[in-house]
Amino acid sequence: EVQLVESGGGFIKPGGSLRLSCTASGSGFTFSNAWMTWVRQAPGKGLEWVGRIKSKSIGGTTDYAAPVKGRFTISRDDSKNTQYLQMNSLKSEDTALYYCTVHLGEFSLDPWGQGTLVTVSS
Amino acid sequence: QSVLTQPPSVSAAPGQKVTISCSGSSFNIGNNYVSWYQQLPGTAPKLLIYDNNKRPSGIPDRFFGSKSGTSVTLGITGLQTGDEADYYCGTWDSSLSLWVFGGGTKLTVL
Repeated sequence: EVQLVESGGGFIKPGGSLRLSCTASGSGFTFSNAWMTWVRQAPGKGLEWVGRIKSKSIGGTTDYAAPVKGRFTISRDDSKNTQYLQMNSLKSEDTALYYCTVHLGEFSLDPWGQGTLVTVSS
Repeated sequence: QSVLTQPPSVSAAPGQKVTISCSGSSFNIGNNYVSWYQQLPGTAPKLLIYDNNKRPSGIPDRFFGSKSGTSVTLGITGLQTGDEADYYCGTWDSSLSLWVFGGGTKLTVL
């Protein structure tokens, strides 16, 4: 069974930067083949897809949602079974619980981590 | 405004059946598989249905999915109080080139 553990969340002022990490563990899971994804959920709101990074074997390309494009960067270190979310120029509307998840096939997301909370406030 | 449209809330009595709809367009639901997620209070989302109507291991057959054109439906039979949760549909949007979720539906088991 695959487990995902996010870390790096915290309290940050608007305009600041933060880097989140997500480390995968578990047997039968080859991290290097996985398309890793970030999803966030603002307090009391629904799920919002942030972006994803494909496996390096097919280019390691990234896709981002419009609200974060140009400010957020997803990367991966397959030697550490870890993906990262570098968040720059943070805004109050980026305040959310950030979940790490995996594209299971192309059209589903499974499993999910427990999330790490990011609070952007002055 | 979500690309996929779900009712904000549904409710039904224990033991009854409920359905949750999710509508989209040819760019998302119409030409791609859809998945459903259950988010129990205070927990992370969990995959409930994938590829429109398949259940992951461990998901009881009380949960089922169907698709027709640009809409999908999640059904739950034999409702239990433990089913009270938020439910989200999701898929890839080929026009926007990003993943889209529905706005979520809060299920109340009266």
